[in-house]
Amino acid sequence: QITLKESGPTLVKPTQTLTLTCTFSGFSLSTSGVAVGWIRQPPGKALEWLALIYWDDDKRYSPSLQTRLTITKDTSKNQVVLTMTNMDPMDTATYYCAHRLVISDYFDYWGQGTLVTVSS
Amino acid sequence: QSALTQPPSASGSPGQSVTISCTGTSSDVGGYNYVSWYQQHPGKAPKLMIYEVTKRPSGVPDRFSGSKSGNTASLTVSGLQAEDEADYYCSSYAGSNNPVVFGGGTKLTVL
Repeated sequence: QITLKESGPTLVKPTQTLTLTCTFSGFSLSTSGVAVGWIRQPPGKALEWLALIYWDDDKRYSPSLQTRLTITKDTSKNQVVLTMTNMDPMDTATYYCAHRLVISDYFDYWGQGTLVTVSS
Repeated sequence: QSALTQPPSASGSPGQSVTISCTGTSSDVGGYNYVSWYQQHPGKAPKLMIYEVTKRPSGVPDRFSGSKSGNTASLTVSGLQAEDEADYYCSSYAGSNNPVVFGGGTKLTVL
C-alpha cells in the first residue's frame, strides 16, 4: 500500500525559505521508473506542478519557478525534500507530494497536502 | 494562467451525461497519449480518475470515460450521481523538460 505524507511549517514569513518533506511508504525511490512530484494549490485556485525527482536522481522543475526550487531525495529515509526560496504571500497554498510512474506519466497516489501560509 | 484550457464550470442532472474538455497544443495533449484526469472534492487531495487518455484505475466507476481528438481531451461522466459533484483537472505530459502541465479545473455541479 502506497502512502505519502507532507510535513513542514504552516506559516512562513515573506523572503524566507520554505522546506517541505514528503515521507512515503510502499515503494522505493531507487526502483527504476519511479518518481515523486510536488504540486501546489492556492486557496480556491488550480493545481500547479512544481517539481519532479526520478529514481536515478534526475530532476525537473516548473519553468516559471525553477530558479526558486530545489528537490532532493533520501532513499534510505524514504523522503523527498522540496525547498522554495524567497517566499511571497502569493505562494500561500496547499502543497501536495505524489507518486508517479515514468512509464505512464500520471500521479496515482497523493499525500493529504499541507497548507502553507506566507505572512508577516 | 494554466497551460491547458478547461471550462470553469459544467453541470447536469442526476442520470444525465456531461463532458468536460481540456484543450492544449501539439506539444502536450496533441503530442502524447499521456492525458490524465483528477477528481477533487472540497478539502481533499486529488484522485486519479483517468490515465493514458482512456484508462481507468481499479475502483473508478465505468461511468467515467476519457477520449482525445487532436489537441483536445475530454472526460465524460455518464449517469451523473450526486457524489460526482467535484472539481476536475486534466493533466498532460509535455516533454522531458516540462513533464507536467495541468488545466485550470472545471467545477462539476449535479443539479
